Amino acid sequence: AQKVTQAQTEISVVEKEDVTLDCVYETRDTTYYLFWYKQPPSGELVFLIRRNSFDEQNEISGRYSWNFQKSTSSFNFTITASQVVDSAVYFCALSEVRTGANSKLTFGKGITLSVRP
Amino acid sequence: ETGVTQTPRHLVMGMTNKKSLKCEQHLGHNAMYWYKQSAKKPLELMFVYSLEERVENNSVPSRFSPECPNSSHLFLHLHTLQPEDSALYLCASSQGRNTGELFFGEGSRLTVL
Repeated sequence: AQKVTQAQTEISVVEKEDVTLDCVYETRDTTYYLFWYKQPPSGELVFLIRRNSFDEQNEISGRYSWNFQKSTSSFNFTITASQVVDSAVYFCALSEVRTGANSKLTFGKGITLSVRP
Repeated sequence: ETGVTQTPRHLVMGMTNKKSLKCEQHLGHNAMYWYKQSAKKPLELMFVYSLEERVENNSVPSRFSPECPNSSHLFLHLHTLQPEDSALYLCASSQGRNTGELFFGEGSRLTVL
Protein backbone atom coordinates (compact mmCIF):
# COMPACT_ATOMS: atom_id res chain seq x y z
CA ALA A 1 0.00 0.00 0.00
CA GLN A 2 1.13 3.53 -0.67
CA LYS A 3 1.59 6.04 2.10
CA VAL A 4 2.75 9.64 2.31
CA THR A 5 3.87 11.10 5.62
CA GLN A 6 4.21 14.80 6.25
CA ALA A 7 5.37 14.81 9.86
CA GLN A 8 5.26 18.59 10.22
CA THR A 9 1.72 19.86 10.66
CA GLU A 10 2.24 23.59 11.10
CA ILE A 11 5.26 25.80 10.43
CA SER A 12 5.54 29.50 11.13
CA VAL A 13 8.40 31.61 9.80
CA VAL A 14 9.20 35.27 9.39
CA GLU A 15 9.35 36.68 5.89
CA LYS A 16 12.67 36.14 4.08
CA GLU A 17 13.50 33.04 6.09
CA ASP A 18 14.13 29.79 4.24
CA VAL A 19 11.82 26.91 5.10
CA THR A 20 11.89 23.21 4.23
CA LEU A 21 8.78 21.06 4.12
CA ASP A 22 9.45 17.36 4.62
CA CYS A 23 7.82 14.47 2.81
CA VAL A 24 8.48 10.76 3.27
CA TYR A 25 6.72 8.14 1.20
CA GLU A 26 6.21 4.39 1.08
CA THR A 27 5.47 2.34 -2.01
CA ARG A 28 6.14 -1.12 -3.40
CA ASP A 29 6.13 0.18 -6.95
CA THR A 30 9.44 0.65 -8.72
CA THR A 31 7.99 3.36 -10.92
CA TYR A 32 5.96 6.18 -9.47
CA TYR A 33 5.38 9.92 -9.52
CA LEU A 34 5.83 12.35 -6.66
CA PHE A 35 4.04 15.67 -6.45
CA TRP A 36 3.74 18.82 -4.43
CA TYR A 37 0.52 20.83 -4.39
CA LYS A 38 -0.19 24.18 -2.75
CA GLN A 39 -3.59 25.03 -1.29
CA PRO A 40 -3.97 28.78 -0.65
CA PRO A 41 -6.83 30.13 1.49
CA SER A 42 -9.06 30.31 -1.61
CA GLY A 43 -9.27 26.51 -1.53
CA GLU A 44 -8.09 25.15 -4.86
CA LEU A 45 -5.03 22.94 -4.90
CA VAL A 46 -2.39 24.24 -7.26
CA PHE A 47 0.03 21.84 -8.90
CA LEU A 48 3.67 22.74 -8.22
CA ILE A 49 5.79 19.86 -9.44
CA ARG A 50 5.78 16.25 -10.64
CA ARG A 51 8.87 14.09 -10.36
CA ASN A 52 9.34 10.65 -11.93
CA SER A 53 10.97 8.06 -9.70
CA PHE A 54 13.68 7.53 -12.31
CA ASP A 55 14.79 11.13 -12.12
CA GLU A 56 16.65 11.90 -8.92
CA GLN A 57 17.99 15.24 -10.05
CA ASN A 58 17.08 18.07 -7.76
CA GLU A 59 15.01 20.81 -9.29
CA ILE A 60 14.92 24.54 -8.77
CA SER A 61 12.20 26.89 -9.93
CA GLY A 62 12.68 30.43 -8.74
CA ARG A 63 12.50 30.42 -4.95
CA TYR A 64 11.30 26.81 -4.90
CA SER A 65 13.56 23.79 -4.87
CA TRP A 66 12.95 20.09 -4.42
CA ASN A 67 15.31 17.44 -3.06
CA PHE A 68 14.44 13.89 -4.11
CA GLN A 69 16.35 11.20 -2.21
CA LYS A 70 15.27 7.74 -3.28
CA SER A 71 17.56 6.10 -0.72
CA THR A 72 15.61 7.67 2.12
CA SER A 73 12.23 7.78 0.29
CA SER A 74 12.03 11.51 0.77
CA PHE A 75 10.92 14.37 -1.47
CA ASN A 76 11.49 17.58 0.46
CA PHE A 77 10.46 21.05 -0.66
CA THR A 78 12.39 24.20 0.21
CA ILE A 79 11.16 27.76 -0.16
CA THR A 80 13.98 30.28 -0.15
CA ALA A 81 13.40 33.82 1.09
CA SER A 82 9.79 33.10 2.01
CA GLN A 83 7.06 35.65 1.37
CA VAL A 84 3.66 36.24 2.92
CA VAL A 85 2.03 34.95 -0.28
CA ASP A 86 3.64 31.57 0.38
CA SER A 87 1.26 31.09 3.32
CA ALA A 88 -0.81 28.04 2.42
CA VAL A 89 -1.25 24.35 3.06
CA TYR A 90 1.24 22.24 1.14
CA PHE A 91 0.52 18.66 0.18
CA CYS A 92 2.94 16.00 -0.93
CA ALA A 93 1.45 13.20 -3.01
CA LEU A 94 2.43 9.91 -4.59
CA SER A 95 1.01 8.23 -7.67
CA GLU A 96 1.58 4.87 -9.26
CA VAL A 97 2.33 4.80 -12.97
CA ARG A 98 0.28 2.25 -14.88
CA THR A 99 -0.39 2.51 -18.58
CA GLY A 100 -4.06 2.43 -19.46
CA ALA A 101 -5.18 2.29 -15.87
CA ASN A 102 -6.42 4.90 -13.52
CA SER A 103 -3.62 6.18 -11.33
CA LYS A 104 -4.43 7.11 -7.77
CA LEU A 105 -2.93 10.05 -5.97
CA THR A 106 -2.16 9.30 -2.34
CA PHE A 107 -1.89 12.55 -0.41
CA GLY A 108 -0.20 13.38 2.84
CA LYS A 109 -2.11 15.28 5.52
CA GLY A 110 -0.58 18.58 4.50
CA ILE A 111 1.62 21.16 6.18
CA THR A 112 0.20 24.57 7.07
CA LEU A 113 2.83 27.21 6.41
CA SER A 114 2.39 30.68 7.86
CA VAL A 115 4.77 33.41 6.78
CA ARG A 116 4.64 36.49 9.00
CA PRO A 117 5.65 39.93 7.75
CA GLU B 1 -9.46 32.53 -13.19
CA THR B 2 -9.45 28.83 -12.43
CA GLY B 3 -10.05 26.36 -15.26
CA VAL B 4 -12.21 24.29 -12.93
CA THR B 5 -15.29 25.99 -11.51
CA GLN B 6 -17.34 24.66 -8.62
CA THR B 7 -20.73 25.81 -7.40
CA PRO B 8 -21.93 26.52 -4.85
CA ARG B 9 -18.87 27.58 -2.91
CA HIS B 10 -20.72 27.15 0.39
CA LEU B 11 -23.69 24.98 1.22
CA VAL B 12 -25.54 24.37 4.47
CA MET B 13 -28.10 21.60 4.49
CA GLY B 14 -30.15 19.56 6.88
CA MET B 15 -29.90 15.80 7.06
CA THR B 16 -33.15 15.33 5.15
CA ASN B 17 -32.36 17.73 2.30
CA LYS B 18 -31.38 16.87 -1.25
CA LYS B 19 -28.81 19.09 -2.93
CA SER B 20 -26.22 18.90 -5.69
CA LEU B 21 -22.69 20.14 -6.16
CA LYS B 22 -21.65 21.15 -9.65
CA CYS B 23 -18.25 21.16 -11.31
CA GLU B 24 -17.33 22.46 -14.74
CA GLN B 25 -13.93 22.32 -16.37
CA HIS B 26 -12.86 24.56 -19.23
CA LEU B 27 -9.55 22.85 -19.96
CA GLY B 28 -10.59 20.22 -22.49
CA HIS B 29 -9.67 17.42 -20.10
CA ASN B 30 -11.18 13.96 -20.33
CA ALA B 31 -11.06 12.81 -16.71
CA MET B 32 -12.79 14.31 -13.70
CA TYR B 33 -12.62 13.55 -9.98
CA TRP B 34 -14.38 14.20 -6.69
CA TYR B 35 -12.23 14.45 -3.57
CA LYS B 36 -13.30 14.96 0.03
CA GLN B 37 -11.14 17.07 2.32
CA SER B 38 -11.86 16.80 6.03
CA ALA B 39 -9.95 18.58 8.75
CA LYS B 40 -6.69 16.90 9.78
CA LYS B 41 -7.12 14.08 7.26
CA PRO B 42 -5.53 13.41 3.86
CA LEU B 43 -7.60 14.12 0.79
CA GLU B 44 -9.85 11.19 0.05
CA LEU B 45 -10.60 10.20 -3.53
CA MET B 46 -14.32 9.55 -3.93
CA PHE B 47 -15.04 9.06 -7.63
CA VAL B 48 -13.23 9.13 -10.96
CA TYR B 49 -14.82 9.57 -14.36
CA SER B 50 -12.89 8.99 -17.54
CA LEU B 51 -14.55 9.79 -20.87
CA GLU B 52 -17.83 10.13 -18.96
CA GLU B 53 -17.60 6.61 -17.58
CA ARG B 54 -17.19 6.02 -13.86
CA VAL B 55 -13.95 4.14 -13.40
CA GLU B 56 -13.53 4.36 -9.67
CA ASN B 57 -15.80 4.38 -6.65
CA ASN B 58 -13.86 4.29 -3.42
CA SER B 59 -16.44 2.69 -1.13
CA VAL B 60 -18.37 5.90 -0.90
CA PRO B 61 -21.77 5.68 0.85
CA SER B 62 -24.75 5.64 -1.46
CA ARG B 63 -25.98 8.95 -0.05
CA PHE B 64 -23.38 10.44 -2.43
CA SER B 65 -24.33 9.95 -6.08
CA PRO B 66 -22.10 11.25 -8.89
CA GLU B 67 -23.19 12.13 -12.37
CA CYS B 68 -21.05 12.97 -15.40
CA PRO B 69 -23.28 14.00 -18.34
CA ASN B 70 -20.32 15.02 -20.52
CA SER B 71 -16.58 15.46 -20.27
CA SER B 72 -16.90 19.06 -19.04
CA HIS B 73 -19.43 18.63 -16.26
CA LEU B 74 -19.52 16.62 -13.07
CA PHE B 75 -22.17 16.61 -10.37
CA LEU B 76 -22.32 15.21 -6.87
CA HIS B 77 -25.89 14.62 -5.72
CA LEU B 78 -26.36 14.61 -1.96
CA HIS B 79 -29.24 13.16 0.03
CA THR B 80 -29.82 12.23 3.66
CA LEU B 81 -26.32 13.23 4.64
CA GLN B 82 -24.83 12.96 8.12
CA PRO B 83 -23.03 15.68 10.11
CA GLU B 84 -19.74 13.81 9.60
CA ASP B 85 -20.12 14.45 5.86
CA SER B 86 -19.36 18.11 6.49
CA ALA B 87 -16.16 18.83 4.58
CA LEU B 88 -14.65 20.61 1.61
CA TYR B 89 -15.51 18.77 -1.60
CA LEU B 90 -12.97 19.32 -4.33
CA CYS B 91 -13.45 18.66 -8.00
CA ALA B 92 -10.45 18.07 -10.25
CA SER B 93 -9.75 17.27 -13.86
CA SER B 94 -6.85 15.86 -15.83
CA GLN B 95 -5.89 15.04 -19.37
CA GLY B 96 -5.74 11.30 -19.25
CA ARG B 97 -6.12 9.46 -15.99
CA ASN B 98 -2.64 8.17 -15.33
CA THR B 99 -0.53 11.28 -15.18
CA GLY B 100 -1.44 12.30 -11.67
CA GLU B 101 -1.32 15.97 -12.62
CA LEU B 102 -4.67 17.30 -11.51
CA PHE B 103 -6.25 20.70 -11.85
CA PHE B 104 -8.51 21.51 -8.92
CA GLY B 105 -11.47 23.78 -8.38
CA GLU B 106 -11.79 25.95 -5.29
CA GLY B 107 -14.07 23.50 -3.61
CA SER B 108 -17.57 23.47 -2.16
CA ARG B 109 -17.66 23.86 1.62
CA LEU B 110 -20.50 21.65 2.87
CA THR B 111 -22.00 21.87 6.34
CA VAL B 112 -24.57 19.30 7.38
CA LEU B 113 -26.68 20.28 10.36
